[in-house]
Amino acid sequence: DADVTQTPRNRITKTGKRIMLECSQTKGHDRMYWYRQDPGLGLRLIYYSFDVKDINKGEISDGYSVSRQAQAKFSLSLESAIPNQTALYFCATSDFGVHREGETQYFGPGTRLLVL
Amino acid sequence: TQLLEQSPQFLSIQEGENLTVYCNSSSVFSSLQWYRQEPGEGPVLLVTVVTGGEVKKLKRLTFQFGDARKDSSLHITAAQPGDTGLYLCAGRDNYGQNFVFGPGTRLSVLP
Repeated sequence: DADVTQTPRNRITKTGKRIMLECSQTKGHDRMYWYRQDPGLGLRLIYYSFDVKDINKGEISDGYSVSRQAQAKFSLSLESAIPNQTALYFCATSDFGVHREGETQYFGPGTRLLVL
Repeated sequence: TQLLEQSPQFLSIQEGENLTVYCNSSSVFSSLQWYRQEPGEGPVLLVTVVTGGEVKKLKRLTFQFGDARKDSSLHITAAQPGDTGLYLCAGRDNYGQNFVFGPGTRLSVLP
């Protein structure tokens, strides 16, 4: 089984709708992240959480909200979807503090979102 | 805001050729990572470089971190179709909290 899972894998929605993307991990990591990927722009950080009680805005948080329901679960919501939120969304966890030689981020398979 | 640029944006080569892709910034990063992403999947970490001038080898892949810790390169020797993918570099930001990603180099190795 995958260590980081995302649901749904694909989603089509209409402008103005509220949607939620979910992420679960079995790696036991405290740190979790949400990114979006657009062609030619790489990955941009939306929100991140260093533990259940710690939520932080990333580079592009406007129009998004998150909930850290448990160490293993981190969900991303689009309050009122708009077409320019069409993108590939990735959840990731991090093993920060586990290895002295550096931190590794583990990414889920992504959710492809289309907002009409 | 710390930014990373990658070049070239696209690269298509024949199997067996050598190639180098670059990751550049005007900012200093405390560490830099390279990821490879295949279609339909998330990025997977290849290497982390921490010390200026550091060189790391991973089979046919050679990674170098610039002396000033502002740039990095990835060299692939005798490329194979399995090397096809999007190569992303990511630098740890000045606050040490998160990573900033470059836009990526999309590599296609033709058999």
